[in-house]
Formats: sequence, structure tokens, C-alpha cells
Amino acid sequence: QKEVEQNSGPLSVPEGAIASLNCTYSDRGSQSFFWYRQYSGKSPELIMSIYSNGDKEDGRFTAQLNKASQYVSLLIRDSQPSDSATYLCAVNPSGGSYIPTFGRGTSLIVHP
Amino acid sequence: DTAVSQTPKYLVTQMGNDKSIKCEQNLGHDTMYWYKQDSKKFLKIMFSYNNKELIINETVPNRFSPKSPDKAHLNLHINSLELGDSAVYFCASSSGTGVSEQYFGPGTRLTVT
Repeated sequence: QKEVEQNSGPLSVPEGAIASLNCTYSDRGSQSFFWYRQYSGKSPELIMSIYSNGDKEDGRFTAQLNKASQYVSLLIRDSQPSDSATYLCAVNPSGGSYIPTFGRGTSLIVHP
Repeated sequence: DTAVSQTPKYLVTQMGNDKSIKCEQNLGHDTMYWYKQDSKKFLKIMFSYNNKELIINETVPNRFSPKSPDKAHLNLHINSLELGDSAVYFCASSSGTGVSEQYFGPGTRLTVT
């Protein structure tokens, strides 16, 4: 069974701090990785995708991928209370399977 | 100009009934999905269609039957509803299979009493 693991949290950070969200996956051949943000009572919203090792930056968000360690992370700089949400890591596995696998999500709370 | 829309937003029904949820996307995407998110917020894929062809059919009771009349629409029909079917059902779409970013609809909260 291909798995995606996230710490459920909650991760609590003060406003202005860096929030670091982590995700590990079991399928070594996975090629594409995504971070979604889900506010309470709302649908998941794509915020970042990453396909190759290294960092990818978009505004206050940085996704980091390390395929050797099977690890993907999301950094949120200058965290704002509006960033408080659940962050879902999603992985598209290898082997011709089109079944995207989501982690259970990490709840982030940014307090003023 | 909603990208992915679902109807209804809320659905309350009794055990044993049959109900349908409709989904439409105007993004021009080829692939559509149905997900179930349970009370513990775990998002699990149920079905996926690519150009009206079923490509993913996860371990879902055969009481659930998807139908895709065209690549912009994917409906979900559920027969003989059970208490355990209570969840939020999300439709999503993407421009391709596999390596693709997905865009989600607003969800349908199904409550079976």
C-alpha cells in the first residue's frame, strides 16, 4: 500500500514566524508532489506543485523535495493568521498508476 | 464563472434511499475525480474518468456508480444509502492523468440518518 504520512498537528506558530510542514511517502518511484490548503468547511486548494529535487519558491511559500529521503516539505514564511488551515500533501505514484494519494493533513494555527 | 461546481451542496436523506450528486467543470480538463472525505478529514479517491473513460475505480461498494456523459460532467449515484456513507464528497478535475494538478469543487456534505 502506497502511503503518504503527515503529522496531524496542530502546529502552532506565532504570526511572522516560519511554519514548516513535512510529508514522507513510501513509493520511491513517485514523480510529482503537491501541497493543498484546506480551510475548515471548504475544499482543498492547490498551492504548490514540485517535480524535481530541490526548492521551489512562490511568494511566501517554498516547497522542498528530497527524493532520496522520500521527503517533501512546505515552508511558509512570515506566517499570517489567514494561513491557519489544514495542509494536505499529495503524491502521484509511479508505475502507471493514476491514483493520487493524499496524506491526512497537518493542521496549522498561526496566532497573533 | 465557477471552475468546478457541484450540486447539491448539502444532502440529508434516510438510510435506504438513492441519491445523486452532479459535478461540472468549465476548465476544459480531460480528467475528473470523485473523492470522499470522512469525519477525520481523510481524503480518499473513489473514481476517476479520463475523456469519459473510467480509469480509477478504488475499493468502493458497488452501490456507488459514477457516470460521465461528457468530459465536462461527472455524476455520482448512490443506491441504498447507509449511515457510513455520511461524508463530504468532492469532485475534482485536472488537465491530465498522473502528473497533474487538481482543482476541487466546493463539496457536497451528505448526511444519512
